[in-house]
Amino acid sequence: SQQGEEDPQALSIQEGENATMNCSYKTSINNLQWYRQNSGRGLVHLILIRSNEREKHSGRLRVTLDTSKKSSSLLITASRAADTASYFCATDSRVNYIPTFGRGTSLIVHP
Amino acid sequence: KAGVTQTPRYLIKTRGQQVTLSCSPISGHRSVSWYQQTPGQGLQFLFEYFSETQRNKGNFPGRFSGRQFSNSRSEMNVSTLELGDSALYLCASSSTRVSGNNEQFFGPGTRLTVL
Repeated sequence: SQQGEEDPQALSIQEGENATMNCSYKTSINNLQWYRQNSGRGLVHLILIRSNEREKHSGRLRVTLDTSKKSSSLLITASRAADTASYFCATDSRVNYIPTFGRGTSLIVHP
Repeated sequence: KAGVTQTPRYLIKTRGQQVTLSCSPISGHRSVSWYQQTPGQGLQFLFEYFSETQRNKGNFPGRFSGRQFSNSRSEMNVSTLELGDSALYLCASSSTRVSGNNEQFFGPGTRLTVL
């Protein structure tokens, strides 16, 4: 079963708007990572947040982590058409460290 | 540095056949992991190899196997192909053992279609 589940499944916005997607997970984790995938290609690592961190920034990306709610959010500010992609969260179990991916959020940014 | 490369990029096979996929990690990376991505199941971990040894294995049948060579290149083999094996197979490399502490670098994937 999937450890991380992204919400919403699909998101459609206009260029310049902010996009927020969420990830929920079930068991305790060491770290949580966000990846981007363009049209059935390989994944690109975006950001890693450790379990003892609450917020992290990278350029136009902002990630938060709430371990009490077992959830994370990815905010993309001032979105661009090039941000159109699927976004996945990946968590690792403290038991076996195997990265487990959610089903992803499909983001479409209209120019 | 060259990225992770996977060959072939596309493959069409028929049921019952076997297939071998290849992955060359980023130079210096010793960990190679394999994932299967399908619309129905999403991204699922197959296995991880580190220093020529399988370190972790996902919940897949024994028809799925792999190996890693001394130069860290890895191959994945699927025997007795089934229609449900049609998927995008992704390889990822990392400088250390896979865990949440390190970034994985993904290849472009091999698209396998089983007819």
